[in-house]
Amino acid sequence: AQSVTQPDIHITVSEGASLELRCNYSYGATPYLFWYVQSPGQGLQLLLKYFSGDTLVQGIKGFEAEFKRSQSSFNLRKPSVHWSDAAEYFCAVGGIGQAGTALIFGKGTTLSVSS
Amino acid sequence: GAGVSQSPRYKVAKRGQDVALRCDPISGHVSLFWYQQALGQGPEFLTYFQNEAQLDKSGLPSDRFFAERPEGSVSTLKIQRTQQEDSAVYLCASSLGGATDTQYFGPGTRLTVL
Repeated sequence: AQSVTQPDIHITVSEGASLELRCNYSYGATPYLFWYVQSPGQGLQLLLKYFSGDTLVQGIKGFEAEFKRSQSSFNLRKPSVHWSDAAEYFCAVGGIGQAGTALIFGKGTTLSVSS
Repeated sequence: GAGVSQSPRYKVAKRGQDVALRCDPISGHVSLFWYQQALGQGPEFLTYFQNEAQLDKSGLPSDRFFAERPEGSVSTLKIQRTQQEDSAVYLCASSLGGATDTQYFGPGTRLTVL
């Protein structure tokens, strides 16, 4: 069965430091992969997605992610974290379900930013 | 332009009551999804519409959950005889249609069943 694992429940990073959030997936075919961010009281916002082509994808707000098929991973990175990046981050696999359009989400990683 | 909107934002129900949650998708979006997000968890897929057709309802947890989108735009998720385990945030998302298309999420409805 398809699944998404985010090994880190909570991460604290100093402002200005680099960030890497881990995501591993289980999926039989080439996956459609997404990273979403959820701030308190806000809806989920797409940061970036991958479905083919260059395995290093650029997203909004200075985020990037790299698809590594051999490791079944799609880790999210940012070179310098800002206090406004504090939020919940979700990795997701798409193309799921009877219609092939639903998403399966990981349990999320909470990012705290210290000054 | 306007994003996905949901109403009410908060709903408190007594166990056994019926509730109806509304979703207004982005205009022109063919696809509409409902997800359930329990506290501390990621969203879980409930059901999917393409226009007015409900093509996937495999995630609905029981027959107490029912969703409709009669005119292919606004959708309603109805939960009958609510139980405490139904307490969660219910998220609606819409997209242009394909599996790689971005799903745009609404702010959610937080349902608390007492």
